Amino acid sequence: GDSVTQMEGPVTLSEEAFLTINCTYTATGYPSLFWYVQYPGEGLQLLLKATKADDKGSNKGFEATYRKETTSFHLEKGSVQVSDSAVYFCALSPGGNKLVFGAGTILRVKS
Amino acid sequence: DTEVTQTPKHLVMGMTNKKSLKCEQHMGHRAMYWYKQKAKKPPELMFVYSYEKLSINESVPSRFSPECPNSSLLNLHLHALQPEDSALYLCASSQADRGRYTFGSGTRLTVV
Repeated sequence: GDSVTQMEGPVTLSEEAFLTINCTYTATGYPSLFWYVQYPGEGLQLLLKATKADDKGSNKGFEATYRKETTSFHLEKGSVQVSDSAVYFCALSPGGNKLVFGAGTILRVKS
Repeated sequence: DTEVTQTPKHLVMGMTNKKSLKCEQHMGHRAMYWYKQKAKKPPELMFVYSYEKLSINESVPSRFSPECPNSSLLNLHLHALQPEDSALYLCASSQADRGRYTFGSGTRLTVV
């Protein structure tokens, strides 16, 4: 079945460090891919998305590229801030009004 | 309006109570969803409404009863819940299949 695997956290970084959160997926067909962010006590916010192979999603300095050959959608940011501390979920939509989430990765950024 | 609004934000209920969670969107999205999220876990799908009809029920116990009165509103009726049902309940909507999902900020439910 469809599934998403994310790197385990927590990931702890100093401010201005480079961030990578790995995400790989298993799916039949051509799913859309997403990164959602959840700040403490809040709902999920869409961070970025990509709908086909080689698409790059970007938002607020975060980027991820849809790599069909490696079935990956890794999240990157060149310089993290304390305000980026949150839980990050990789997700795929295979169709049929379903959204499949990874387990989530906690990011902690220290000043 | 690009939001999904959920009320109430917090709810404490006893195991014999009946309560309802409400969700509203005015983006013209035709699919609406209920998710349940336990602490430190990803959201789990409960129900999907597509064009106001229930299209997916992920084997949710009958003490949870969804309702979609119109294309903008989604309710979740709660009755005889258990303490293990305490969680963050998230509503979401989407316009197109495989499209972006917009989530509300959730209702934090505590069953005592």
